[in-house]
Amino acid sequence: AQSVTQLGSHVSVSEGALVLLRCNYSSSVPPYLFWYVQYPNQGLQLLLKYTSAATLVKGINGFEAEFKKSETSFHLTKPSAHMSDAAEYFCAVTRGGSYIPTFGRGTSLIVHP
Amino acid sequence: NAGVTQTPKFQVLKTGQSMTLQCAQDMNHNSMYWYRQDPGMGLRLIYYSASEGTTDKGEVPNGYNVSRLNKREFSLRLESAAPSQTSVYFCASSQDRGRFPNTEAFFGQGTRLTVV
Repeated sequence: AQSVTQLGSHVSVSEGALVLLRCNYSSSVPPYLFWYVQYPNQGLQLLLKYTSAATLVKGINGFEAEFKKSETSFHLTKPSAHMSDAAEYFCAVTRGGSYIPTFGRGTSLIVHP
Repeated sequence: NAGVTQTPKFQVLKTGQSMTLQCAQDMNHNSMYWYRQDPGMGLRLIYYSASEGTTDKGEVPNGYNVSRLNKREFSLRLESAAPSQTSVYFCASSQDRGRFPNTEAFFGQGTRLTVV
């Protein structure tokens, strides 16, 4: 079974600081990995996805993620946090066979002025 | 471009009441899903439909039923609501995963349900 683990239910950074949100996956085969963002009182929207074409994936709003097979990780980063980045972030992996998305428990990003 | 539309946005039910959450997508997607979101639990799959006419149980199906009415619509029914079903419910859709396994899911805005 495929699953993802997000380390840290809350991450707090200052505006302008580096953002690092961690995601590790467990899979016996190369997975399909995604990061979604959820702003308050809204649905989830795609930030970026791993396509196997490149290990470093660039997404919207300046976010990027690096696929590291040796570490089974797909951490999300942004060089400089903005107040508008405050949201809930979910890592997801598709499940083998039916390829249904399985989500991590989410990380709430708090950005201080 | 509406995407995925859910109704209602908010609902309060009394224990034992029934209701149906509606979901429709206009992207011609084959696959549709119902998730519930609870604090600290992430999104958990209730039911999914790989294509029109098929439905399958997800991780937490107890207390729910679904209907894939046509390609566009996928409804979720609570027959006898319980306080444990207080949650935020999300409908999502995606292209045929069998053909496009790397495709992302598109989500509705959610239904906030409280059962008292």
